[in-house]
Amino acid sequence: QQQVKQSPQSLIVQKGGISIINCAYENTAFDYFPWYQQFPGKGPALLIAIRPDVSEKKEGRFTISFNKSAKQFSLHIMDSQPGDSATYFCAARVLRKTDSWGKFQFGAGTQVVVTP
Amino acid sequence: EAGVTQSPTHLIKTRGQQATLRCSPISGHTSVYWYQQALGLGLQFLLWYDEGEERNRGNFPPRFSGRQFPNYSSELNVNALLLGDSALYLCASSSMGLNVADTQYFGPGTRLTVL
Repeated sequence: QQQVKQSPQSLIVQKGGISIINCAYENTAFDYFPWYQQFPGKGPALLIAIRPDVSEKKEGRFTISFNKSAKQFSLHIMDSQPGDSATYFCAARVLRKTDSWGKFQFGAGTQVVVTP
Repeated sequence: EAGVTQSPTHLIKTRGQQATLRCSPISGHTSVYWYQQALGLGLQFLLWYDEGEERNRGNFPPRFSGRQFPNYSSELNVNALLLGDSALYLCASSSMGLNVADTQYFGPGTRLTVL
């Protein structure tokens, strides 16, 4: 059961363009939303994360937009570069001490290809 | 500083056998997480260990088990292997224990193939 739904499955964008990946979640107990970047043959690496008390967080060319009422969040990659070509995963986690404390739910991933 | 290491890199087993996967966290990290990455399904949370105790587990059957040793390294055991257990198994470690918003650092994974 995929509690975090991610789209699109794949994305091709030209160098300099904007890549947008969307995620939707169901469990309102989630209160931490990170994005991970994974290159072939490597484990995922944390890219940027947000908590639901803010609607946007920006780090360099990467921005998370968060819509709590819609239970959606998205990753924007501005000025996309060929080196950004990777698989991106959204995730959601429960920080409060409940039965789901600490559990991570990941999206299925989006393969991004940035063409020169 | 050495990153998270996992062994073996590849593991081939037959149905019904047991598989043992190992993980060494970054020095100073006390929490270890295990994930299953099957094709097209993203990462599925398996287990979380901190200070030698299992803190939480994902929706996997009991034949997926593990432990954390006093040196904080960890072992994942999968019993009675099924073809569907074929996947990349990723280990991650973090330094802040029960502060569950801390950054997780992932290892390169163990590719388990069940024939």
